[in-house]
Amino acid sequence: DARVTQTPRHKVTEMGQEVTMRCQPILGHNTVFWYRQTMMQGLELLAYFRNRAPLDDSGMPKDRFSAEMPDATLATLKIQPSEPRDSAVYFCASGRTRTYEQYFGPGTRLTVT
Amino acid sequence: EDQVTQSPEALRLQEGESSSLNCSYTVSGLRGLFWYRQDPGKGPEFLFTLYSAGEEKEKERLKATLTKKESFLHITAPKPEDSATYLCAGGGTDKLIFGTGTRLQVFP
Repeated sequence: DARVTQTPRHKVTEMGQEVTMRCQPILGHNTVFWYRQTMMQGLELLAYFRNRAPLDDSGMPKDRFSAEMPDATLATLKIQPSEPRDSAVYFCASGRTRTYEQYFGPGTRLTVT
Repeated sequence: EDQVTQSPEALRLQEGESSSLNCSYTVSGLRGLFWYRQDPGKGPEFLFTLYSAGEEKEKERLKATLTKKESFLHITAPKPEDSATYLCAGGGTDKLIFGTGTRLQVFP
């Protein structure tokens, strides 16, 4: 049963600390997306990759957020330094350009105190 | 500007009481309209893709339909386990634009 996996599932950190979230997309998928979900804003697209190349990161605060895909099996989202307003659930999703369907991971719940 | 709007925000149904959720969209060059189900504490779970007006898809008690401006998710004789937030999304490219969801509660 192919699934997107994300680690860690929960993260509590203090303001100013670096946070790294990891995602393993479904094997064979060539697009990877990072979303943030809050009660107020719903699902917001932060960044996405096609064939490991970053195509759009306009949804990210660029001074503190960065997203990379070091290889086809790993995508990372880093926040440095973290702030309390970054507290949210971060989802990774993967898909294929042929169908445009996206499959979501279980999310990382981030709390910044 | 591309936009996806869902209504109602919340819906309470008695078990067995059928209803519909609405998703209105304005997406340039729509390539697909997607429905997801999200349970508390979990990621959105893919349900359906609709590619062209007139298309319909069914899964158990759910049926999704698509027109040129709207999509509907019809829930027939819902059960308490259908309680969840239902999200729709439209895509003109790889990127999807999500609505804010309809939170459905089905009571026994």
